[in-house]
Amino acid sequence: ETGVTQSPTHLIKTRGQQVTLRCSSQSGHNTVSWYQQALGQGPQFIFQYYREEENGRGNFPPRFSGLQFPNYSSELNVNALELDDSALYLCASSLGQGPYNEQFFGPGTRLTVL
Amino acid sequence: QKEVEQDPGPLSVPEGAIVSLNCTYSNSAFQYFMWYRQYSRKGPELLMYTYSSGNKEDGRFTAQVDKSSKYISLFIRDSQPSDSATYLCAMTGNGNQFYFGTGTSLTVIP
Repeated sequence: ETGVTQSPTHLIKTRGQQVTLRCSSQSGHNTVSWYQQALGQGPQFIFQYYREEENGRGNFPPRFSGLQFPNYSSELNVNALELDDSALYLCASSLGQGPYNEQFFGPGTRLTVL
Repeated sequence: QKEVEQDPGPLSVPEGAIVSLNCTYSNSAFQYFMWYRQYSRKGPELLMYTYSSGNKEDGRFTAQVDKSSKYISLFIRDSQPSDSATYLCAMTGNGNQFYFGTGTSLTVIP
């Protein structure tokens, strides 16, 4: 059984650019959640996708957007990058959308915005 | 006020000690409570999961939830150097948004 994978591992962008981060969910999981973890902070919920539909969103501006594909893999897109977007971006997959479903996290993508 | 408060530490203990980690929260709608362990440069790994108030034990780990005080704890018995990591509490109500604490950095000294 393959766990959650994310790509790329590291990324450096400049302010104003756009970035796409990718996540492959664990086999059989239909729900993917994305989190932003700034240095020294806990993960902050960005949004969740369930069966290709956005299924809840945290307090993030519209320039953070996402997609989920029929194979349940997912992308996080961030437009007009700002310096404060520098963080570890984590995705987590689960068997379903309810809070009782364990979320399995990937290793994250570390984004640096210069 | 943050939804979840957690002392960031750092916490340093000798091998074999009992470790106590705590979080407080403000939202009385929270019903599901979790503890995650995060090693450096890795994603969080679920350690314990508790629904509503009460205790739950798994090996050397015990999770306690006191909803009346809005206070949760994780105890680690016979701590080992391999327990050195950041410990994150997380919680949610019936929705999809999980709220995490800032994490407590723990070092167990051999």
